[in-house]
Amino acid sequence: GENVEQHPSTLSVQEGDSAVIKCTYSDSASNYFPWYKQELGKRPQLIIDIRSNVGEKKDQRIAVTLNKTAKHFSLHITETQPEDSAVYFCAARTLYNFNKFYFGSGTKLNVKP
Amino acid sequence: NAGVTQTPKFRVLKTGQSMTLLCAQDMNHEYMYWYRQDPGMGLRLIHYSVGEGTTAKGEVPDGYNVSRLKKQNFLLGLESAAPSQTSVYFCASRRPGAEDYEQYFGPGTRLTVT
Repeated sequence: GENVEQHPSTLSVQEGDSAVIKCTYSDSASNYFPWYKQELGKRPQLIIDIRSNVGEKKDQRIAVTLNKTAKHFSLHITETQPEDSAVYFCAARTLYNFNKFYFGSGTKLNVKP
Repeated sequence: NAGVTQTPKFRVLKTGQSMTLLCAQDMNHEYMYWYRQDPGMGLRLIHYSVGEGTTAKGEVPDGYNVSRLKKQNFLLGLESAAPSQTSVYFCASRRPGAEDYEQYFGPGTRLTVT
């Protein structure tokens, strides 16, 4: 099955700086890549996603980039704020089973005021 | 509109005991999922259902059973709990099809098996 690796496991930035989280995947048949934010003790929530036919997608301060050749995708958060502090998970889904999402191990982002 | 709800929120079991976790959604979603989340790991799919009366195995199905008797409910059962099943369990649901409809997660159930 698909294997998704996520780095770094923890990331600490100063408020206002940018944060980048990277994920790699193994199955070239993966075609959908969502990112989730999970605040402490809360449920995961979708923040942005990208399909394999798109190289980049932006939504205000967050963006996701995808490199299909290298099989990696990244989450970019600009002008970080303390409320961005959370655990972020990437995931991948293959085109032959759209019910199976494979998640990365998570990145704990700490934004220092 | 409550979205996805889970009961109970917390539970402590002794090894060998059984229990059922209930997931309910009021969004009329066809697809429902059970995941487990362990420290330092992402969510792993246990079982899923694409409609009432149907279930399928996910990534880590051993030791769990599920049932989807009603469209709005998805039950996860542990017949004989083991310490390795200590985890946080999340239910999710979404609209049907291959389109990239968002998965909506429940608040989670924290289960400890001693």
